[in-house]
Amino acid sequence: DGGITQSPKYLFRKEGQNVTLSCEQNLNHDAMYWYRQDPGQGLRLIYYSQIVNDFQKGDIAEGYSVSREKKESFPLTVTSAQKNPTAFYLCASSMSRGSYGYTFGSGTRLTVV
Amino acid sequence: SQQGEEDPQALSIQEGENATMNCSYKTSINNLQWYRQNSGRGLVHLILIRSNEREKHSGRLRVTLDTSKKSSSLLITASRAADTASYFCATYSGNTPLVFGKGTRLSVIA
Repeated sequence: DGGITQSPKYLFRKEGQNVTLSCEQNLNHDAMYWYRQDPGQGLRLIYYSQIVNDFQKGDIAEGYSVSREKKESFPLTVTSAQKNPTAFYLCASSMSRGSYGYTFGSGTRLTVV
Repeated sequence: SQQGEEDPQALSIQEGENATMNCSYKTSINNLQWYRQNSGRGLVHLILIRSNEREKHSGRLRVTLDTSKKSSSLLITASRAADTASYFCATYSGNTPLVFGKGTRLSVIA
């Protein structure tokens, strides 16, 4: 079955550490996205990519980095520069930027310890 | 930037009743989409309505769009306990990815 897989489901980060969240899709979608969700809030866009080796900043890109070396993969690194990283991170993919619905992964919950 | 704003923030109804959620947005759009999120899970796409459409149905879901008022509504008929979730509207304006609202938390009591 085609889908989008995020791992790990739970992640704990110590102060000053960089951590990488994985996102893999086998839907042959060109576009991929990272959103952050805080309790009781909507989704805020971190980064998105419409094609391999190209990506754009979203509304809250500071303290995050991404790469898109393969069509199937769009990992997100939460760097030590992100001062408040505790949140639920959602990866999504789509055939185009917004003309069709997005398929979401099941999310990664990141907690700073 | 938050484009869509859902109303109400929370809604509690009895099983079998209809649930109506509203979404207002600020700028012109190409389409508007509704998603469901169960607690601690990813979002699931429910329905997409284009700017030249006024109403769309999918099973027990009915979505309306009024571009003159910049608003949309999602109606879930004959609700079930399994419909308990958060519902988000998202807008696509053609130049950026989807922009999501803060959602409506729906509780359906059996």
